Amino acid sequence: EVVLTQSPGILSLSPGERATLSCRASQSVTANYVAWYQQKPGQAPRLLIYAASKRATDIPDKFSGSGSGTDFTLTISRVEPEDFAVYHCQQYSISPISFGQGTRLEIK
Amino acid sequence: QLQLHESGPGLVKPSETLSLTCSVSGDSVTNDKYYWGWVRQPPGKGLEWIGSFYQGGSAYYHPSLKSRVAISVDTSKNQFSLNLTSVTAADTAVYYCVRRPVTIRAIDYWGQGTLVSVSS
Repeated sequence: EVVLTQSPGILSLSPGERATLSCRASQSVTANYVAWYQQKPGQAPRLLIYAASKRATDIPDKFSGSGSGTDFTLTISRVEPEDFAVYHCQQYSISPISFGQGTRLEIK
Repeated sequence: QLQLHESGPGLVKPSETLSLTCSVSGDSVTNDKYYWGWVRQPPGKGLEWIGSFYQGGSAYYHPSLKSRVAISVDTSKNQFSLNLTSVTAADTAVYYCVRRPVTIRAIDYWGQGTLVSVSS
């Protein structure tokens, strides 16, 4: 199984700052089949990014994804109050599908 | 507009079988553009893929659950179900039914989730 390690576990930022979230895979993820999801308390996750860098439908361009191989990044250019949530990365290249443990983005 | 709705008991006793159903509206579980499946999330923890199927056919499961899990499809009701046998407290989680387009393969739709607790 591909193990995904997300860092940091908790990211404390002020509104307007740039957020950089990391996801490292235990082996190379072919075809960059990595997705990022946002999850707010009591809600289901929401797809933000797929194929490492493609924004999902209706996702604003303040969210961007990058990376290849084993290292992937989600960037929020300027964090807004509604962006404080937990972010999960996922790989769907190698079975079984696996998720990272999540990064909590909290208000500083 | 696609809707996925999970239903089933919120409490299951240890060693018994957890059974959930996902009712799909706004699409068909036989649509060849999508995989359908289940993901779970223990309280305060990360997400875990359980398994999925395609076109109402064979299902694929997480190896750690493969001996205890089964996903079945009722095309007449446009539903699919999850059965997990011999449950323990470690199976306590919010269970989500999900859809994955074949084209992008990431999960584009999630049900609202249902909490299942395993306790005597």
